[in-house]
Amino acid sequence: SQTIHQWPATLVQPVGSPLSLECTVEGTSNPNLYWYRQAAGRGLQLLFYSVGIGQISSEVPQNLSASRPQDRQFILSSKKLLLSDSGFYLCAWSVRRVDNTGELFFGEGSRLTVL
Amino acid sequence: ILNVEQSPQSLHVQEGDSTNFTCSFPSSNFYALHWYRWETAKSPEALFVMTLNGDEKKKGRISATLNTKEGYSYLYIKGSQPEDSATYLCAFISGTSYGKLTFGQGTILTVHP
Repeated sequence: SQTIHQWPATLVQPVGSPLSLECTVEGTSNPNLYWYRQAAGRGLQLLFYSVGIGQISSEVPQNLSASRPQDRQFILSSKKLLLSDSGFYLCAWSVRRVDNTGELFFGEGSRLTVL
Repeated sequence: ILNVEQSPQSLHVQEGDSTNFTCSFPSSNFYALHWYRWETAKSPEALFVMTLNGDEKKKGRISATLNTKEGYSYLYIKGSQPEDSATYLCAFISGTSYGKLTFGQGTILTVHP
């Protein structure tokens, strides 16, 4: 069966420090991969989307970046965190389908607090 | 920017009550609509994937309907139980979004015993 793991679960970082959140998927190949963020009082906002190794679509201009070094690994990074980067980050995957309607399977989430 | 609205923002019901809430989305260029349930301390889980106008889906006491012409979907819970307490999210896929979902802000449901 397929599983998705995301870490760390909780992170408290000072402003200006770097960030690395990692996500791996097991039990499937060629998944679509996503990074979402939920800021306080808001819905889920798509940050990055990937259909393959090295293929990243950025949805929101910001100081975050994403990389997909391997088929089932997705990394969210920042060189210098801002206060506004605080939030709950969710990694997700979906089966790559011709009709692009596949449901998302989410990781456990990472809560980032920037002080 | 795609506008996906959910109402109400929150809802408190008593155990045994039936309830429903709404997801509104652009009626043009519809491709698919998802419903997810997000329980506290857990990950969001898919309830339904809906693609056709007039679709009705059911899973146990939960059902959903879809009207793509007017741009809305209803989620119904019959005989609510405390374990139904969660945030219910809808997500819209347009014909030009290449499978990327735009989420509404969610409806927070609390079922009181």
